[in-house]
Amino acid sequence: QQQVKQSPQSLIVQKGGISIINCAYENTAFDYFPWYQQFPGKGPALLIAIRPDVSEKKEGRFTISFNKSAKQFSLHIMDSQPGDSATYFCAATSSGYALNFGKGTSLLVTP
Amino acid sequence: KAGVTQTPRYLIKTRGQQVTLSCSPISGHRSVSWYQQTPGQGLQFLFEYFSETQRNKGNFPGRFSGRQFSNSRSEMNVSTLELGDSALYLCASSDGTTNTGELFFGEGSRLTVL
Repeated sequence: QQQVKQSPQSLIVQKGGISIINCAYENTAFDYFPWYQQFPGKGPALLIAIRPDVSEKKEGRFTISFNKSAKQFSLHIMDSQPGDSATYFCAATSSGYALNFGKGTSLLVTP
Repeated sequence: KAGVTQTPRYLIKTRGQQVTLSCSPISGHRSVSWYQQTPGQGLQFLFEYFSETQRNKGNFPGRFSGRQFSNSRSEMNVSTLELGDSALYLCASSDGTTNTGELFFGEGSRLTVL
């Protein structure tokens, strides 16, 4: 049973555009929501993370928006670049170590 | 600082065999967790060890087991392999003392079961 639902499955964005990936969860015990980025042949790497007491967190071109009442959170990639082409996973956890991942979004940024 | 090292990187087994995968965490990290990654199910949590004790376990059958040694290195074992066990097995390490969820992943061991 997937505890974190992620959409879309794939996304194509033009260079300079905004990429938006959405996630939803049910378990209100989750208190930490990280996003991971994975390139082919590599393990996932932490991109940005948020706790539910904050509605938005920005790091460079990457922003997480968090809606606690709707149990939804999203990743926005501003000014998307071809180097951002990767698979993105949202996750949620209440333990810090047992991450519940979404199924991933394959992002392609075209030149 | 060396990253998370997983061995072997690739292996092929046949149904019914068993396999052992190894993970060396980042120096100083005491928590090691394991994940299975497949195209259909995505990333699924297997188990997590901290100071040689299993702290968390995912929803996998008992054929999947693990252990952690005093130097924090970890191994996971899958017995009686099934075709559906073909996957990328990822190990991740963290300091294990803060609830940040920041895991540092290795590049994985790709298991093919024939």
